[in-house]
Amino acid sequence: KNEVEQSPQNLTAQEGEFITINCSYSVGISALHWLQQHPGGGIVSLFMLSSGKKKHGRLIATINIQEKHSSLHITASHPRDSAVYICAVRSSTLSQNTGNQFYFGTGTSLTVIP
Amino acid sequence: ETGVTQSPTHLIKTRGQQVTLRCSSQSGHNTVSWYQQALGQGPQFIFQYYREEENGRGNFPPRFSGLQFPNYSSELNVNALELDDSALYLCASRKTEERFYGYTFGSGTRLTVV
Repeated sequence: KNEVEQSPQNLTAQEGEFITINCSYSVGISALHWLQQHPGGGIVSLFMLSSGKKKHGRLIATINIQEKHSSLHITASHPRDSAVYICAVRSSTLSQNTGNQFYFGTGTSLTVIP
Repeated sequence: ETGVTQSPTHLIKTRGQQVTLRCSSQSGHNTVSWYQQALGQGPQFIFQYYREEENGRGNFPPRFSGLQFPNYSSELNVNALELDDSALYLCASRKTEERFYGYTFGSGTRLTVV
């Protein structure tokens, strides 16, 4: 069982639609990241959250620490939003072997059709 | 523009060979982590370095090794390459003293083992 679960795995939307990607995690965390990965592999960190909500342009990220759940919303989606979105949590437990490591979801592949 | 540069961007190696991947981090980023991302999977933690010492390791064999240098660059070395080592290798770095624990990811090196 993965420490981080994302849904859906694949998502196809029409341009302009409101999109939600969900992330649930099972470990104690110090922070949660939403990452965007384009074809070719480069990763961009969109948000880092430890509580509440953040907004950047058309992107909104929320986190509920009690429920161990986060959502990434994209308003007025555009074809250039097509990418894989990855939820990553940084463990709050300092392990002797792994330190405060990241756990990653397997990603949500988003395709926005014009 | 991430501030973390990885080289090379693509690489093809033969099974049994050795490979060195490089990551150049921003000044002051004294913690660097390396991840392996197989096709269609989320990144998996390989190891982490802090001030030139390994301080965390995931479930990877000893033929995966690393170095971190005083100029905030680092290397991932893989010996005796296997076909399953074909993946995207990502590095991520941050200033450990930064309270916000922000990581910056590189764009990755895509390694193909034939």
